[in-house]
Amino acid sequence: IQLTQSPSSLSASVGDRVTITCRASQGISSYLAWYQQKPGKAPKLLIYAASTLQSGVPSRFSGSGSGTDFTLTISSLQPEDFATYYCQQLNSYPPMYTFGQGTKLEIK
Amino acid sequence: QLQLQESGPGLVKPSETLSLTCTVSGGSISSSSYYWGWIRQPPGKGLEWIGSIYYSGSTYYNPSLKSRVTISVDTSKNQFSLKLSSVTAADTAVYYCARQPITMVRGVRFWGHFDYWGQGTLVTVSS
Repeated sequence: IQLTQSPSSLSASVGDRVTITCRASQGISSYLAWYQQKPGKAPKLLIYAASTLQSGVPSRFSGSGSGTDFTLTISSLQPEDFATYYCQQLNSYPPMYTFGQGTKLEIK
Repeated sequence: QLQLQESGPGLVKPSETLSLTCTVSGGSISSSSYYWGWIRQPPGKGLEWIGSIYYSGSTYYNPSLKSRVTISVDTSKNQFSLKLSSVTAADTAVYYCARQPITMVRGVRFWGHFDYWGQGTLVTVSS
């Protein structure tokens, strides 16, 4: 299963509402996670099961979708949100944890 | 607070074997609620899952790396390890270890996501 994120890069301003899309090459139910990665740091889990917010993650982050089309939405961008975001397939058997290619969110 | 720490050589020669260890502190690697995984990221590129292990020793590998990868666990030391053989420059990357919880959401089991990560260690393959 391939995961394709769009856009690959995105420029936005503080306070903007931003949506990132992840499309699976075949249906994966709600078996999807989202991560945020800042330069030089390990990725941070934001959302799993397509829409479940990881503990400690701000509520401005939300996830939706099922089947082949998923979205990560940041309702009001904060300065610390500028980073690269990845989606990842879950629950595959045999296990094959594919990541999307990433979406780089930059300051406009 | 759970912490994971990668350790091992930062420089490996081509054709040799890359060996890394992940030490887990603040929690037990022997819990039945978690898998433990390795992920890598070449400089400037995306994330690639290498493989995962359960405390019992059951392993799962990325098919593209399976012939060269061995992951093992030492529950007495609360560690798990990665060996990648016959390395080339293409294996140069930051290598991360991470925990994979098995989570129930609305009555459905989810697994595969990585909730705690090590800081990562850069391994360069060069003569």
